[in-house]
Amino acid sequence: DTAVSQTPKYLVTQMGNDKSIKCEQNLGHDTMYWYKQDSKKFLKIMFSYNNKELIINETVPNRFSPKSPDKAHLNLHINSLELGDSAVYFCASSIIGKGDNEQFFGPGTRLTVL
Amino acid sequence: QQQVKQSPQSLIVQKGGISIINCAYENTAFDYFPWYQQFPGKGPALLIAIRPDVSEKKEGRFTISFNKSAKQFSLHIMDSQPGDSATYFCAASMSNTDKLIFGTGTRLQVFP
Repeated sequence: DTAVSQTPKYLVTQMGNDKSIKCEQNLGHDTMYWYKQDSKKFLKIMFSYNNKELIINETVPNRFSPKSPDKAHLNLHINSLELGDSAVYFCASSIIGKGDNEQFFGPGTRLTVL
Repeated sequence: QQQVKQSPQSLIVQKGGISIINCAYENTAFDYFPWYQQFPGKGPALLIAIRPDVSEKKEGRFTISFNKSAKQFSLHIMDSQPGDSATYFCAASMSNTDKLIFGTGTRLQVFP
């Protein structure tokens, strides 16, 4: 059973396009996250949601809009894609939105913007 | 002050050797220090974690050493194996928030 799943695994698109990445967790967790991992492997939090409510919104361009239809899903929509958006995006979840709870990561979505 | 500095960037160790990765932080409000392991093409996964009320935590071949006064902590991998080859991230957080601050990662390669 996959705990945190993401689709698609790979996404190749042109500059200026709009794309979405979907994330689902079957762990019954209350909190979900989006992270961006750049080409140097640096891992940075973008957003966190607790039970469908936005908790963390780091300094991310407003072209990025997370949406949580229910607490098991957190999707990421990106408008007007730019070259610098190329990265691996990871979804994660934890049982409660506290820093000392284990975060479970999905397999990642590699986004390439041409 | 929110940064976690990690070194080295890469590490090559022979099978059976000891791998040591170091991290340092500034924010004394951090009270939870996990290490995550990431294999190529996979997401990070929690390996081991420590709180500042203890100076060492050991789980199998993996040990975290914590020096609160120096604001440093390190991961030691004893008897390193080729299967340990991965990228390792230290991290820090305050337990009353859900924000993990990750170090820059260390790529470990263990050769047979």
